[in-house]
This record gives sequence, C-alpha cells and structure tokens, in this order.
Amino acid sequence: KAGVTQTPRYLIKTRGQQVTLSCSPISGHRSVSWYQQTPGQGLQFLFEYFSETQRNKGNFPGRFSGRQFSNSRSEMNVSTLELGDSALYLCASSLGPGGGGTEAFFGQGTRLTVV
Amino acid sequence: QKEVEQDPGPLSVPEGAIVSLNCTYSNSAFQYFMWYRQYSRKGPELLMYTYSSGNKEDGRFTAQVDKSSKYISLFIRDSQPSDSATYLCAGYSGNTPLVFGKGTRLSVIA
Repeated sequence: KAGVTQTPRYLIKTRGQQVTLSCSPISGHRSVSWYQQTPGQGLQFLFEYFSETQRNKGNFPGRFSGRQFSNSRSEMNVSTLELGDSALYLCASSLGPGGGGTEAFFGQGTRLTVV
Repeated sequence: QKEVEQDPGPLSVPEGAIVSLNCTYSNSAFQYFMWYRQYSRKGPELLMYTYSSGNKEDGRFTAQVDKSSKYISLFIRDSQPSDSATYLCAGYSGNTPLVFGKGTRLSVIA
C-alpha cells in the first residue's frame, strides 16, 4: 500500500513569489491535514480538508490557502512568499475527519526555502 | 502558554541507557496522547499512543500519561543508536487537529 506522497521534496523560491505544494493521501483516505514545521515553532497546524471541504484552519495569514480534489489529493498554496515561510511542510492523511489522531500518516514533507 | 510544551534538548546518551522524554500540556480536552518519531529528512511516524491516563508498553518503549498533573512521558529502555531521532509528543481531543510539542532531539552514542 503506497504511503502519503508529497511533491516536490525540495523547493527554492524567491521572496514575493508564490508556490504550490501537492499531497496525495493513502488510497481510501479522505482527510488531508497540512502542517508547517520550523525549528523555532515546531509543528503547527495549517488546515484540514475532508471530502473537498475545509474543516479546520490554523492561525496562519490568508497567504496560505489550500484545496482538495475529488480524488482526495490536496494542494496548498502560499502567495507573496516571505523569508519566514521557509519550513518543512508536512501533510498527514487519515480515513475520517478530525485530523486522524491515532490514524494519521505523514508524508516526507516538502522542504521550502525562500531566499 | 503553548498547549503542549516539550524541552527541545538536544539530549545525548550512551548506548544502553534509559531515556526519559517528557511533555506537559494545558488542554484538558485532550483524550489521546501520542509520541511520534521523526528521523532526519523524514516525516513523523507514530510510535505509540495512550488513551486518557495510564501506561502503555511496546517493546523497549513505555508511554505514561498523568492527567492530574498534565504530564506525558516516554521511556526508552536499552537505547540504541537507531533510536537517534527527534521525538514529538502530541495531544488530541478527538475531533480537532493534533497539537504537537516542539520535539526533543535525541542522540544515542555507540
């Protein structure tokens, strides 16, 4: 059974640009949650999608957005990139809504560097 | 105050030592308490979880939760170099996102 796939693995962008990250959940999983991981703040919740609907949103500015497609694949977009957006972006998939809890499986993440 | 507090370390121990990793939390709604292990350049993987208070053992790993003091612990017996990773504790209320501590970086020296 394939795991959670995140693409690309690494990205370098310039301040002011925008970026789109992709997450393909485990087959059959309908919930995708996104997290930002930095050394200073640790893992912080961005948003959760279940059946193409955003269920929860973390405390991030509107520059961070996401969506989920009918096949459960999810994308997140960051516009007008800032240096502070440099981080490891992780997605987690689970069967049902609520972020998965004990049944959340993480991808390997996308390492975004903003220069 | 963050909902889950965790000493970031780093923690360095000799092979074979007993390792104690700890977190405190403030959200009384948490029912599940998880420990994730994250190797360098990898995503977190669930190591074990406990429901409510009590202990849970899995091989060399023991997780403890004391809800009265809002304290979460992970013990690793006979630590191995392969245990070197960042360990993340998390709380979960059942219907809201996981809330993570910042993680403790552990190095087990052969």
